[in-house]
Amino acid sequence: AQKVTQAQTEISVVEKEDVTLDCVYETRDTTYYLFWYKQPPSGELVFLIRRNSFDEQNEISGRYSWNFQKSTSSFNFTITASQVVDSAVYFCALSEESYNTDKLIFGTGTRLQVFP
Amino acid sequence: DGGITQSPKYLFRKEGQNVTLSCEQNLNHDAMYWYRQDPGQGLRLIYYSQIVNDFQKGDIAEGYSVSREKKESFPLTVTSAQKNPTAFYLCASSRARGQDNEQFFGPGTRLTVL
Repeated sequence: AQKVTQAQTEISVVEKEDVTLDCVYETRDTTYYLFWYKQPPSGELVFLIRRNSFDEQNEISGRYSWNFQKSTSSFNFTITASQVVDSAVYFCALSEESYNTDKLIFGTGTRLQVFP
Repeated sequence: DGGITQSPKYLFRKEGQNVTLSCEQNLNHDAMYWYRQDPGQGLRLIYYSQIVNDFQKGDIAEGYSVSREKKESFPLTVTSAQKNPTAFYLCASSRARGQDNEQFFGPGTRLTVL
């Protein structure tokens, strides 16, 4: 069965600290996609990244980086030099090729609080 | 500007009433989705539509109904049969399946049943 686990419910850091948000997934498909979304206090989900199962290259975008490891079924997200504006709930999600839709399976989210 | 709009932002309903949440997109996306979010939980899929005049139940469709008469519109009706409708509702859209299948979300509607 497909599942996404974000074991960290809440993380608090002080500005400029690095922080890693963990995501572990379960799937039987060989072709699947992984996503990270940010939900600021306004409520709207903001797309951050998509990764397909055949691309294990790590990615860096500014202060954001993602580490995809199929061997451990993990897709972790690191924010370097965190800022107050990074405070939000972050969701990891999975979609599987075998489904007849791009249905997203979400984790329960990690609330990140960055204090000045 | 391309995007997804949802209205209203806040909605209050008395028990026993049906209410309809609006979702419009001008991204020319084929697929549209409705999710429900409860406090401390991830999003759960209510209904989705991959093409006009066609839609499918998601994981928690009971007590909800939808229509897809136009490509850009996917309204959700919360019926009186939904036992616990107070939640945050998010609409999303995406291109057809496969590449570039990331979903883009609207700002959400917060529904409260009084």
